[in-house]
Amino acid sequence: DQQVKQNSPSLSVQEGRISILNCDYTNSMFDYFLWYKKYPAEGPTFLISISSIKDKNEDGRFTVFLNKSAKHLSLHIVPSQPGDSAVYFCAASDTQGGSEKLVFGKGMKLTVNP
Amino acid sequence: NAGVTQTPKFQVLKTGQSMTLQCAQDMNHEYMSWYRQDPGMGLRLIHYSVGAGITDQGEVPNGYNVSRSTTEDFPLRLLSAAPSQTSVYFCASSYSAWGTTSGNTIYFGEGSWLTVV
Repeated sequence: DQQVKQNSPSLSVQEGRISILNCDYTNSMFDYFLWYKKYPAEGPTFLISISSIKDKNEDGRFTVFLNKSAKHLSLHIVPSQPGDSAVYFCAASDTQGGSEKLVFGKGMKLTVNP
Repeated sequence: NAGVTQTPKFQVLKTGQSMTLQCAQDMNHEYMSWYRQDPGMGLRLIHYSVGAGITDQGEVPNGYNVSRSTTEDFPLRLLSAAPSQTSVYFCASSYSAWGTTSGNTIYFGEGSWLTVV
């Protein structure tokens, strides 16, 4: 039973346009969400996070939106750049549950074409 | 600042052999963990540690052992390698429990590619 779902395995966009990466979760106890970016042959690197007390967090070109009622979050990249081409992982945590665990989605490959 | 260092980067094992993947961090992080990444499966937690002397199982612990004798090191042992353990392994560390400290996040090593034949 997958608790964090990234249903689209890949996305291709043109440079300069918006990239929207979606993530759904099933565990209503999740209250902290993160996005990681991973280049081939490298470890994942932290991109942006959001707490459940917020519905939006912005950092430069990256914005994460959280819709708690729909158990859905999305990562917007505007404008998209070729260097953004990578695999993006959504992750979630129940910070009050004491499980000390971060649950990852399967990842989504973003390709930004010049 | 080295961050999280994993060794070896590549390893080929025969079925039944044992080996240890090393992981060290120099950030004085209390929390460390091991993940494996398989095609179409994302990152799955193998074992984790909330501090020296404390370890616990993650989502896929079978076939792996860990220990945490120091804050810096968190080795992962494969006791009797099986082809199903062919994967990319990532060690990670974090200052505190996931998400409980503002701005806290997990830092990953570069990965260890393991093939069991």
